[in-house]
Amino acid sequence: AQSVTQLGSHVSVSEGALVLLRCNYSSSVPPYLFWYVQYPNQGLQLLLKYTSAATLVKGINGFEAEFKKSETSFHLTKPSAHMSDAAEYFCAVSDVGAGSYQLTFGKGTKLSVIP
Amino acid sequence: EAQVTQNPRYLITVTGKKLTVTCSQNMNHEYMSWYRQDPGLGLRQIYYSMNVEVTDKGDVPEGYKVSRKEKRNFPLILESPSPNQTSLYFCASSLRGVGQFFGPGTRLTVL
Repeated sequence: AQSVTQLGSHVSVSEGALVLLRCNYSSSVPPYLFWYVQYPNQGLQLLLKYTSAATLVKGINGFEAEFKKSETSFHLTKPSAHMSDAAEYFCAVSDVGAGSYQLTFGKGTKLSVIP
Repeated sequence: EAQVTQNPRYLITVTGKKLTVTCSQNMNHEYMSWYRQDPGLGLRQIYYSMNVEVTDKGDVPEGYKVSRKEKRNFPLILESPSPNQTSLYFCASSLRGVGQFFGPGTRLTVL
């Protein structure tokens, strides 16, 4: 069984500061990992994904994430926060290696950006 | 434009009145899924479908039905809605391993 833990349901950063959203996963097979963003009153949009190629993955809007197998982590970072980054972020894991399409989501981290 | 559409976007109904939320995708994806999103619980999968006429239960299937008669459509049916099904519902579709495309959501209130 796979699971995802996102540390911190709310994170606040100042505009221009580093954004770090934490995600740890468990999976019985090599996972595919995803970060999604949800802006208020909208659906989920794929930010980036790890699919067993490069461990440092670059996504949209300046975000990136690093897959660390030894730490079972896939933390999301952005060097400089912008007001438009305020949203809820979800980490998800998929056991694609086991032939699955299934996504298991974390409970989300709401990011606030303080001017 | 590649997209997943859901209708209606907002729905207020009463306990026990059958309703259907439609979902359609134009990307020829074989996989489709329904989720509900509740505060503090993240997204939980209700049902999913690997292809036409193939459906299976997710984590929270009680009180819901689905069907997949055509590849592009995956309606969610609540035969007898109850207040605990008040939630935000998302449909998603996918090719294997590339991440899921989500619809805009349907906010359902059951009184």
